[in-house]
Amino acid sequence: GAGVSQSPRYKVAKRGQDVALRCDPISGHVSLFWYQQALGQGPEFLTYFQNEAQLDKSGLPSDRFFAERPEGSVSTLKIQRTQQEDSAVYLCASSSETRGVHEQYFGPGTRLTVT
Amino acid sequence: DQQVKQNSPSLSVQEGRISILNCDYTNSMFDYFLWYKKYPAEGPTFLISISSIKDKNEDGRFTVFLNKSAKHLSLHIVPSQPGDSAVYFCAAKTNSGNTPLVFGKGTRLSVIA
Repeated sequence: GAGVSQSPRYKVAKRGQDVALRCDPISGHVSLFWYQQALGQGPEFLTYFQNEAQLDKSGLPSDRFFAERPEGSVSTLKIQRTQQEDSAVYLCASSSETRGVHEQYFGPGTRLTVT
Repeated sequence: DQQVKQNSPSLSVQEGRISILNCDYTNSMFDYFLWYKKYPAEGPTFLISISSIKDKNEDGRFTVFLNKSAKHLSLHIVPSQPGDSAVYFCAAKTNSGNTPLVFGKGTRLSVIA
């Protein structure tokens, strides 16, 4: 079956531009997570949705970062006025249940380069 | 302060031998642990997991061992194959619903033919 998909796979933005990154989770997966992976680091949590509700956004690094999942399926991560430190791979993951299932399935990521 | 630590950035093993990847954690609230494998330009792929109520979980060539008192886990791959060459991430979470994963920095495994 189809896994988690993300688009675009690569994005180059000039400093100060806004970007929007899309995530299509596995069909029927209730939970959706966004992570940021800097070069040489492990993924770090940004935000979590259960259906359309954003239950945890404690990992968003600044108010320039905004995520939404209006219909409980596709999610968009938006970064306003991009800065060079935003350069990273942005990973989306989905999971099938709210309780009792712990494995998260990741998409291929979007590599964002801010010049 | 890193809550999940993988202290070996890289590991090189001969084909057919055992690969042992190590992971330490500091947060005693963690009670579920996962290993992910990552190839270049791909997202992490779930490999194997273990709950804190167990000390071992085996799946084919992959075995994860958990030592709760030492806050240490390890992934054993035997026999190692060239296709196992990848970056391996250890991750941990609390068991309270769908909480975020906390990752280590990864260990790059190279299996030499």
